[in-house]
Amino acid sequence: DTAVSQTPKYLVTQMGNDKSIKCEQNLGHDTMYWYKQDSKKFLKIMFSYNNKELIINETVPNRFSPKSPDKAHLNLHINSLELGDSAVYFCASFSGNYLHFGNGTRLTVT
Amino acid sequence: AQRVTQPEKLLSVFKGAPVELKCNYSYSGSPELFWYVQYSRQRLQLLLRHISRESIKGFTADLNKGETSFHLKKPFAQEEDSAMYYCARPSNAGNMLTFGGGTRLMVKP
Repeated sequence: DTAVSQTPKYLVTQMGNDKSIKCEQNLGHDTMYWYKQDSKKFLKIMFSYNNKELIINETVPNRFSPKSPDKAHLNLHINSLELGDSAVYFCASFSGNYLHFGNGTRLTVT
Repeated sequence: AQRVTQPEKLLSVFKGAPVELKCNYSYSGSPELFWYVQYSRQRLQLLLRHISRESIKGFTADLNKGETSFHLKKPFAQEEDSAMYYCARPSNAGNMLTFGGGTRLMVKP
C-alpha cells in the first residue's frame, strides 16, 4: 500500500500551459506539504495544509495554487508554466515530526 | 529561523572507505534532527533520527550539542549508498521540516 501517492510521475509540457499534480495520502495525517526539488537538488518547502487549511505559503508565485478538497488530498495547480518551473515536486504528509514523501513528479517545461 | 547547513554538495569516496556527511544546525536548546536519503529517482525516505539512536544500513549519527552538529557516518561505504542525503530539523513551530541543501554521496567501485 502506497502511503503517499502522486500523479503523474512525469509531466512534460510547454511554456504557458496550465497543469495539475495530484497527491493523496492514506495515513490519516492532518498535515500535508508540497516541496520543490530544483536541478541542484535543493529541497524547499512550498506549501503546507493542515486539515484542508493553508498554514504555510513560502513566497511561491501566485501561479501556483494548492487545493485541498479534504485532508487526504493536496493537489497543486500551476498556471502559465515557465521554464524555471522545471523541477521535481514532492508531496508529503507529516506526523510526529516525520515526513512521509510521495515518489515525486518530474515536471519538464519546454 | 532554524537553519540546517550541509557544507558539502558532493562527497566522493571509494568502496570500503569511511564516509562522513556533515550537518550543522543553528543552536536551539534540544533540537530533534533527522537524516533523509534519496536514491536515484526514488522518493525521499527517512534514514534515521537522532532520538532513536539506531544504526540503519550501517549509518549512525551522533548529536554533538557542543559543535551543533549531527554528522552521518559509515565505516565502510558501499556502492549502493550512492544517493542524495538531506539533514533536517523541525521548524520553531514544529509544523514543518527544514532541510539542509543536501549532499550527493558517490561511492566508486
